[in-house]
Amino acid sequence: DSGVTQTPKHLITATGQRVTLRCSPRSGDLSVYWYQQSLDQGLQFLIQYYNGEERAKGNILERFSAQQFPDLHSELNLSSLELGDSALYFCASSALGLVETQYFGPGTRLLVL
Amino acid sequence: GQSLEQPSEVTAVEGAIVQINCTYQTSGFYGLSWYQQHDGGAPTFLSYNALDGLEETGRFSSFLSRSDSYGYLLLQELQMKDSASYFCAVRMNRDDKIIFGKGTRLHILP
Repeated sequence: DSGVTQTPKHLITATGQRVTLRCSPRSGDLSVYWYQQSLDQGLQFLIQYYNGEERAKGNILERFSAQQFPDLHSELNLSSLELGDSALYFCASSALGLVETQYFGPGTRLLVL
Repeated sequence: GQSLEQPSEVTAVEGAIVQINCTYQTSGFYGLSWYQQHDGGAPTFLSYNALDGLEETGRFSSFLSRSDSYGYLLLQELQMKDSASYFCAVRMNRDDKIIFGKGTRLHILP
């Protein structure tokens, strides 16, 4: 158990809908990362937050947005969902925002029908 | 474009040593990380190199040569539980995105 929690574990929704994925980092970790993993694209870095502020941005679609709240939990919002958004979404956290010490949550499996 | 290359599959025998290579072509370099992922599980951090040389953590070691844009993960005394996918990842700058390789599936034979 990494200490990072993600909810929900599974999500099934329809095209065009909007969903919110939630992540609680390990106690004391200030940085949160979001990743998407699909069979054809592999592991893709989406975005990083550090202590409430956006720190780094990857290939995150405009339909996706994220934020980190004062209690350090983070949410990833996916809107106007398409079939291709079906994937595993991982959240990870680290203490100082350093990539070498990331701890991953169990992931949320999203299926868009 | 930015890319990381690693073999798609490697097979080794239990108790042996295996090396998984990673070459990168990125516009910047801040550090190289390695992750392990079992089927159905989440990635687990293994190792990190920011400077040239070898980093050792138990049965796992990682090496980096920045001049060659190359690194490798070395797994010793292989165990069946090491059967998993291994990913290398590069962060280009401190506040920049992270690029992952497509992963190497390690098969271990008894």
